[in-house]
This record gives sequence, structure tokens and C-alpha cells, in this order.
Amino acid sequence: QKEVEQNSGPLSVPEGAIASLNCTYSDRGSQSFFWYRQYSGKSPELIMFIYSNGDKEDGRFTAQLNKASQYVSLLIRDSQPSDSATYLCAALTGGGNKLTFGTGTQLKVEL
Amino acid sequence: DTGVSQNPRHKITKRGQNVTFRCDPISEHNRLYWYRQTLGQGPEFLTYFQNEAQLEKSRLLSDRFSAERPKGSFSTLEIQRTEQGDSAMYLCASLPGGTYGYTFGSGTRLTVV
Repeated sequence: QKEVEQNSGPLSVPEGAIASLNCTYSDRGSQSFFWYRQYSGKSPELIMFIYSNGDKEDGRFTAQLNKASQYVSLLIRDSQPSDSATYLCAALTGGGNKLTFGTGTQLKVEL
Repeated sequence: DTGVSQNPRHKITKRGQNVTFRCDPISEHNRLYWYRQTLGQGPEFLTYFQNEAQLEKSRLLSDRFSAERPKGSFSTLEIQRTEQGDSAMYLCASLPGGTYGYTFGSGTRLTVV
């Protein structure tokens, strides 16, 4: 079992819709979780992080964490074509010393 | 300089050759990480430094890989006797102590032919 799992997609949503990206993790000791966006051929860029159960909002992005279910999600409201990218979920593991990434979910926002 | 700088951006090498990549972190970031990413996969941890000390190295990393961070500033990653399976994007990230939101460099794309 991988430490961080994501559906590879692609996930297709129409412009203006809400995109929901999901991630599960296996290490109950993981405390913090991160979402990165990666455009094709580019390096990952940090969108947001979450470490408390519940929701955390930042502009059009909302991260959700449920530690009991070991589940993290990212909601993107009012999706735009420029949001089309691969979204990587990462958990802080290894005693809190490094991030372990999932394989990423490819999001396509269609006009 | 406000970002993490990696050089070269692209490297094509023949199988069996040695290659070295350089990473210049954000000034005063004491933690520096190396990751490798292949197509369709997430970044995979290779090693990390706190200042000049290499604190962890992935078990997946063969002895053909070595990394250094002299004086706790820039870092180099060397791959000896390259193999086709080493073809990947090599990413460097840095961060200040106490936070874990990595800032990645642009990466070095290695192609072994």
C-alpha cells in the first residue's frame, strides 16, 4: 500500500464548476498535508497546506482534512481552464522530516 | 535571488557517463531536499540536508548516487555510471527551519541515451 494515494484521472470538469480532488494516506502519524499544482513540464508549486481537521479556505481553493478517515481533499471553485494541471497531494512523513507525494490527479477544465 | 535555482535545466548523457547537478537554495534556508520525478509519478524522495549535514538518504537510492552540501549553501547531486532508468526530472527544494511547504526549483531533466 502506497503511503499517499490519489486517483490519476484525468478528472474533467466544465468551466465554472467545482473540481473535487481526493487523497488518502496510510500513516496515521502524518500530521500535515499539502497540495501542489504542477503544469506539464514544470516543477510543483505549493497551493496550500492543512493540519487541522475540517476545512481551510484560500480564495477559490478549499482543503479538507478528515484524520479519522485518513482522507484529504481539495476543492476548486469556479474552475478555470488555467486550473488544468496535475494536482499532487503530499503528507509530512518520516517523523516529520519529509514530504511523501501521491502520484497526482490530472485535472482538465473544459470550455 | 528569490527562488531555488537548479542547473543545468536539461542534460542529455550517454549511458555509463557521470553527471552532476547543482542546486542553489533560497538564501538562509537551512533545509535542502532532492527528489526525482518520472513521467506520471509524483516526486520521490532521494535525500535531504540540514545545513551541511546529510540527515537522510532514501533506501531506493543506489550507491551510484551521491549528494553533498558543502558549507550548508548550494548542493550537488552526482550520478555515476548512468543508466537509462535514471532518466527523470531531478527536483531540488529548500525551506527554512520549522516549516514544510517546500519551494521547488525548476528542476533538471536528465535523459540517458
